[in-house]
Amino acid sequence: DQQVKQNSPSLSVQEGRISILNCDYTNSMFDYFLWYKKYPAEGPTFLISISSIKDKNEDGRFTVFLNKSAKHLSLHIVPSQPGDSAVYFCAARPNDYKLSFGAGTTVTVRA
Amino acid sequence: DTGVSQDPRHKITKRGQNVTFRCDPISEHNRLYWYRQTLGQGPEFLTYFQNEAQLEKSRLLSDRFSAERPKGSFSTLEIQRTEQGDSAMYLCASSQMDGTDTQYFGPGTRLTVL
Repeated sequence: DQQVKQNSPSLSVQEGRISILNCDYTNSMFDYFLWYKKYPAEGPTFLISISSIKDKNEDGRFTVFLNKSAKHLSLHIVPSQPGDSAVYFCAARPNDYKLSFGAGTTVTVRA
Repeated sequence: DTGVSQDPRHKITKRGQNVTFRCDPISEHNRLYWYRQTLGQGPEFLTYFQNEAQLEKSRLLSDRFSAERPKGSFSTLEIQRTEQGDSAMYLCASSQMDGTDTQYFGPGTRLTVL
């Protein structure tokens, strides 16, 4: 069963604009959430994370928002740059180690 | 910090052959994980080591799969009698047992079983 869902398989955005990626989860035991970025033929690269005790975490152009009551998180990238074109994975874990991943969203930043 | 490395990056084999992959984690990390990723999906957890102890194996890890981490440093993942369904990207990750325990991934080994 898919405990982490990314319902948008792709997103196209113009350079300089905001990219918003969404992620929903079903397991109420999840308490730590991460976003990874993946280029073709490479492994996932850690981007940003958030603990369940927070509702927002910001790192440069990347901000993650967590809505625990809705079991929803989102990643905002602003401004979007051509190098942001990649597959983005949402991941979550309970108070242990095992990550559950969504299927990914492919972001294309248009010049 | 050289990051997580994996070898080989690509492996093509014939059905029924055995293959072995190696993962070298970030040097100070005591936790090591194996994941498998197929096309269009996110990575799926296979197994996990804390130091040299293998603490959990997913039901995805059939008895043809075995993983070791003999000295608590590098790890190997062996697949015996490969099947076409084993074709996937095999990812290794490592983490430090601290407050966040963030997992950092290697570049992966792409396995193709003919």
